[in-house]
Amino acid sequence: EAGVAQSPRYKIIEKRQSVAFWCNPISGHATLYWYQQILGQGPKLLIQFQNNGVVDDSQLPKDRFSAERLKGVDSTLKIQPAKLEDSAVYLCASSFGDRGYEQYFGPGTRLTVT
Amino acid sequence: GQQVMQIPQYQHVQEGEDFTTYCNSSTTLSNIQWYKQRPGGHPVFLIQLVKSGEVKKQKRLTFQFGEAKKNSSLHITATQTTDVGTYFCADGASGGSYIPTFGRGTSLIVHP
Repeated sequence: EAGVAQSPRYKIIEKRQSVAFWCNPISGHATLYWYQQILGQGPKLLIQFQNNGVVDDSQLPKDRFSAERLKGVDSTLKIQPAKLEDSAVYLCASSFGDRGYEQYFGPGTRLTVT
Repeated sequence: GQQVMQIPQYQHVQEGEDFTTYCNSSTTLSNIQWYKQRPGGHPVFLIQLVKSGEVKKQKRLTFQFGEAKKNSSLHITATQTTDVGTYFCADGASGGSYIPTFGRGTSLIVHP
């Protein structure tokens, strides 16, 4: 089966610019996660969707980050405006269910903010 | 939310030596998942432990879940260079309010 797809793989922007990331989960997976992984740390959950509804976004910096999953399939994560501290790898993952299911990760988008 | 702590942060071993990483939580975990991330790669699911005291093996990897379900370990016997990567434990809660929480990870460096 096809894995989780993400694009772009790399992005370099200047601070205060905006950027968007795209994710297409594994077919049939209802749950989609966006994580931020800073170098040397574990993935930190930003937002979790169940189908097209938000399950948790308590760790999403809502003043600059937004995400949507309009048709319950693919998703976009946006940052506007970007800050230097947003430099990280943004990982998308999907799972069959929302708890206790293994997560399948995409290759990630490496964001560098200069 | 849940906090999972992992130790050590880094471990250097000679090829053929054993390796263990530990994951600890201040609260009881419903279950725990382990992932491996190769350098430059993305996390890949290894295993999930659910039962108190559970032990599972995958070839040279042995996973344990503590009796109190507050800690877990991953042990690799006779490491190989292919074992290089960062090993993460994650709270894989199966009920109630749940925010997937990953530990900081243990980076394994294997010297040939």
